[in-house]
Amino acid sequence: AQKITQTQPGMFVQEKEAVTLDCTYDTSDPSYGLFWYKQPSSGEMIFLIYQGSYDQQNATEGRYSLNFQKARKSANLVISASQLGDSAMYFCAIRPRSGSRLTFGEGTQLTVNP
Amino acid sequence: GAGVSQSPRYKVAKRGQDVALRCDPISGHVSLFWYQQALGQGPEFLTYFQNEAQLDKSGLPSDRFFAERPEGSVSTLKIQRTQQEDSAVYLCASSLVVASGSLHTQYFGPGTRLTVL
Repeated sequence: AQKITQTQPGMFVQEKEAVTLDCTYDTSDPSYGLFWYKQPSSGEMIFLIYQGSYDQQNATEGRYSLNFQKARKSANLVISASQLGDSAMYFCAIRPRSGSRLTFGEGTQLTVNP
Repeated sequence: GAGVSQSPRYKVAKRGQDVALRCDPISGHVSLFWYQQALGQGPEFLTYFQNEAQLDKSGLPSDRFFAERPEGSVSTLKIQRTQQEDSAVYLCASSLVVASGSLHTQYFGPGTRLTVL
């Protein structure tokens, strides 16, 4: 079984500053992928970034980077230079390589202030 | 190219009615998933298809829930005799393939918000 824990129900950040959204996970699978999705108020889940458990380097995608610490079982999302449009719900998810389903955390509501 | 599309976007049903929710995956995506998202929570897995084969339906909450993908593309999630606890957003996702050794990203549609009165 997989579990994702997101301990920050809400986060606030000033425009143009960086913010870190926390994610810890639990899995017994030796190989897995970690995913971050953004869900604006419109409801669509937008894929942001992916990290494989055996990837040597932390994933980056534009302003998004993933701070992956395998020993600590954490996969925090870092958003640099926050924009007003970044205000949304952010979900961390895990999928084992041997499985199919994504297991999501409960999400963090990010608000970017002008 | 076109993303995952779902219809209707909103559905209001009276308790006891049957509903059908449609998902059009990204063209060429072999794998299709349904998730249920209750208000204020993360999505939870319902079922998974690879082509027309339903390989995992362990997340379906009751036998009132039924999903099909007869030709390996469009999928329909049907809920019979709807109950108030069925009120949620139903999300569909597709990916290129889910096979041993692959970790292809799942891309989601906009969801169908179901309200059961």
